[in-house]
Amino acid sequence: EADIYQTPRYLVIGTGKKITLECSQTMGHDKMYWYQQDPGMELHLIHYSYGVNSTEKGDLSSESTVSRIRTEHFPLTLESARPSHTSQYLCASSEPSGFYGYTFGSGTRLTVV
Amino acid sequence: GNSVTQMEGPVTLSEEAFLTINCTYTATGYPSLFWYVQYPGEGLQLLLKATKADDKGSNKGFEATYRKETTSFHLEKGSVQVSDSAVYFCALSTIQGAQKLVFGQGTRLTINP
Repeated sequence: EADIYQTPRYLVIGTGKKITLECSQTMGHDKMYWYQQDPGMELHLIHYSYGVNSTEKGDLSSESTVSRIRTEHFPLTLESARPSHTSQYLCASSEPSGFYGYTFGSGTRLTVV
Repeated sequence: GNSVTQMEGPVTLSEEAFLTINCTYTATGYPSLFWYVQYPGEGLQLLLKATKADDKGSNKGFEATYRKETTSFHLEKGSVQVSDSAVYFCALSTIQGAQKLVFGQGTRLTINP
């Protein structure tokens, strides 16, 4: 079944640790996205990709980085986690125009202590 | 630029009540319009969509009609259930420009038995 997967679902980690949030999709979508969702529910686009070897900064500045070496995989990395990075991170994918909407993963809830 | 404005929440209703969540938009060109739902602890799921004026999207008893003259896409349901408790996001996407999904701020809905 075509879908989009995020791991881990929950992560509690200490300040200064390096972390990678995984996102994989089996739909063959070219475009992928990372959103950060604050406690007030608002969604902020932090990274997106048009395809392999393409990465772009989103509307909200983020200290995280992303890579796109394979079509199906779009991991997000924080080199040194801080409490201000505590948030819900949502990955999504779409066909090239995005005109028919995005498919979202279940999210990773990150807590940095 | 493109933007979406949603009815502010939270919204609390009794089971079997009629639901309306207002959504208006500003966009250049002819956007597609979407409603997404986020259940507690989950990612976003596409609830319904409409890709041109006067289209009606429907799913799970929810409906929304694309009104170009009033730039609106209000979400309605005739009889809500406790299981409808969630956060609802209105969104738009255009083929022109950056082709990114633009979200409203979300409306939290709670249904009491």
